[in-house]
Amino acid sequence: QVQLQESGPGLVKPSETLSLTCAISGGSISSSIWWSWVRQPPGKGLEWIGEIYHSGSTNYNPSLKSRITISVDKSKNQFSLRLSSVTAADTAVYYCAKTRRSGSDATNAFEIWGQGTMVTVSS
Amino acid sequence: QSALTQPPSASGSLGQPVTISCTGTSSDIGGYNYVSWYQQHPGKAPKLMIYEITKRPSGVPDRFSGSKSGNTASLTVSGLQAEDEADYYCSSYAGSNNWVFGGGTQLTVL
Repeated sequence: QVQLQESGPGLVKPSETLSLTCAISGGSISSSIWWSWVRQPPGKGLEWIGEIYHSGSTNYNPSLKSRITISVDKSKNQFSLRLSSVTAADTAVYYCAKTRRSGSDATNAFEIWGQGTMVTVSS
Repeated sequence: QSALTQPPSASGSLGQPVTISCTGTSSDIGGYNYVSWYQQHPGKAPKLMIYEITKRPSGVPDRFSGSKSGNTASLTVSGLQAEDEADYYCSSYAGSNNWVFGGGTQLTVL
């Protein structure tokens, strides 16, 4: 069973870049899976940020696209999120998740989630 | 893309059924069969309950079911249990490799 674990600084200053990593265990990042980032501001709903395939192909939320970079590190079996020019509105719990889009076991849903990591944007 | 519309709250008595709606547009829910539902207990990560409108992952109780009509998807919990009290979120593929979530519904078991 694949498990995901987010990590990164819990506090980021306004205008700086937020950087998070999602470590994958129990499976390979090179499987036919899309790896996503989803965030949840305190007391609010979920927002899809973007996703990456092991080939490096990415898809981003249009509302965040100009500030997002998602990358993959096959050697470490992990993928990462960078969100630039952060403001207080980017304060949220950030989750990583996996989606299977192809094959007989495709779900086209966020099947497995990490436990989430809280990031606060404040000076 | 805009968030899908869910009622902020829903409630039902123990053992009774409750349905949560999720309304989108022809560009998301109405255009694809990739609607999913997630359960989230306080302080926990979301858990997939329904995918591709009606399918249940292994381990999800069969009292959870999903459906879709036009631009609206629904999650029905038949025979409410105390542990079903949680927030529920819908999600849909929105085309052009984008995904969108609903605002969430807080389900209370009376």
